[in-house]
Amino acid sequence: AQTVTQSQPEMSVQEAETVTLSCTYDTSESDYYLFWYKQPPSRQMILVIRQEAYKQQNATENRFSVNFQKAAKSFSLKISDSQLGDAAMYFCASNSGGSNYKLTFGKGTLLTVNP
Amino acid sequence: DGGITQSPKYLFRKEGQNVTLSCEQNLNHDAMYWYRQDPGQGLRLIYYSQIVNDFQKGDIAEGYSVSREKKESFPLTVTSAQKNPTAFYLCASSVHQGSGELFFGEGSRLTVL
Repeated sequence: AQTVTQSQPEMSVQEAETVTLSCTYDTSESDYYLFWYKQPPSRQMILVIRQEAYKQQNATENRFSVNFQKAAKSFSLKISDSQLGDAAMYFCASNSGGSNYKLTFGKGTLLTVNP
Repeated sequence: DGGITQSPKYLFRKEGQNVTLSCEQNLNHDAMYWYRQDPGQGLRLIYYSQIVNDFQKGDIAEGYSVSREKKESFPLTVTSAQKNPTAFYLCASSVHQGSGELFFGEGSRLTVL
């Protein structure tokens, strides 16, 4: 069974600064994907970024980037130039690829952005 | 616009009553999922369906039932057997290839009185 662990229940960052959210996972699969989802107060889940496990290059989407350490099973999210709109709950998730795409989620990290 | 529609957004139920949450998607996705969200628990998978007329139990299926008679629809019934049904319920869908990225609805908040 897959497990995803987010060890930081809450984080805060000053506007315009950088913050890193941690995530570790455990899987026996060789082919899988990793995701960061954002859930703002509206509660609509939004995909922030995805990473294919077979790719060594870290994924980047504008101000969001990941640090993917496959051997350590670590998948952290870095948010640069934080904005007030980044305040949300962030969930790390993984799937097992292949023919089964169900996602396993971590418990989330609540990010506060201070003006 | 393509997307996932969940209804109702808010639902109140008396103990002992079954309730059904609706989930409809027009994304032409093969797979659909129901997750439950509780404070501090993240999202936990209730049921998922990879194809019409087939579905599998997730991690917390007890007290819930689903059907998948049409590709577009995946309703969830919360039965009276569910011991603690008050929660936020999220429906999602995905294509059956590629990364398996999930697309989510806006959720349904169920409160048992």
